Amino acid sequence: KAGVTQTPRYLIKTRGQQVTLSCSPISGHRSVSWYQQTPGQGLQFLFEYFSETQRNKGNFPGRFSGRQFSNSRSEMNVSTLELGDSALYLCASSSARDRTGELFFGEGSRLTVL
Amino acid sequence: GQQVMQIPQYQHVQEGEDFTTYCNSSTTLSNIQWYKQRPGGHPVFLIQLVKSGEVKKQKRLTFQFGEAKKNSSLHITATQTTDVGTYFCAGINSNTGKLIFGQGTTLQVKP
Repeated sequence: KAGVTQTPRYLIKTRGQQVTLSCSPISGHRSVSWYQQTPGQGLQFLFEYFSETQRNKGNFPGRFSGRQFSNSRSEMNVSTLELGDSALYLCASSSARDRTGELFFGEGSRLTVL
Repeated sequence: GQQVMQIPQYQHVQEGEDFTTYCNSSTTLSNIQWYKQRPGGHPVFLIQLVKSGEVKKQKRLTFQFGEAKKNSSLHITATQTTDVGTYFCAGINSNTGKLIFGQGTTLQVKP
């Protein structure tokens, strides 16, 4: 069974640009969540989707948005990039409908904003 | 908002010594999960605890969930160099359903 796939793995952007990150969950998993990881801040929850609906949202500004497609693939978008958005963005999928299940993480997309 | 605090942030031990990381929540958790992230890697699920006072063991790792379901601990007996990494706890808030991660404890093991 293929794991969670995130693309691109690495990218460099400049301030003010926007970026779209993609996540393909494990086949059959309908829950996808996104996390931002920076040194010293741990894993900050961005949002969670289940069956194309956003079920939960973290405390990030409106520049961060996401969506989930009917095939469970998910994308997140960050507009008007700031230097502080440099981070590893992790996507995780789960088979559990009620959020109690194990999360399977992808390798992440490492974003550098210059 | 809900916070999940994890201590210590860093721990350096000599190989063979024990290690413990603690996780404390400001609110009651419906369950708690533990993940391990190796350097340069992504978090990998270790275990989930659901019941008050639950204790689970995986070889040299012992996981506990507090009676009030607000704290948890991970204890590693006789650490090995393969234990190096960052250990995260993650708890689901009983009311909001949000899964919140602790800041993680980074373990270094000196051979």
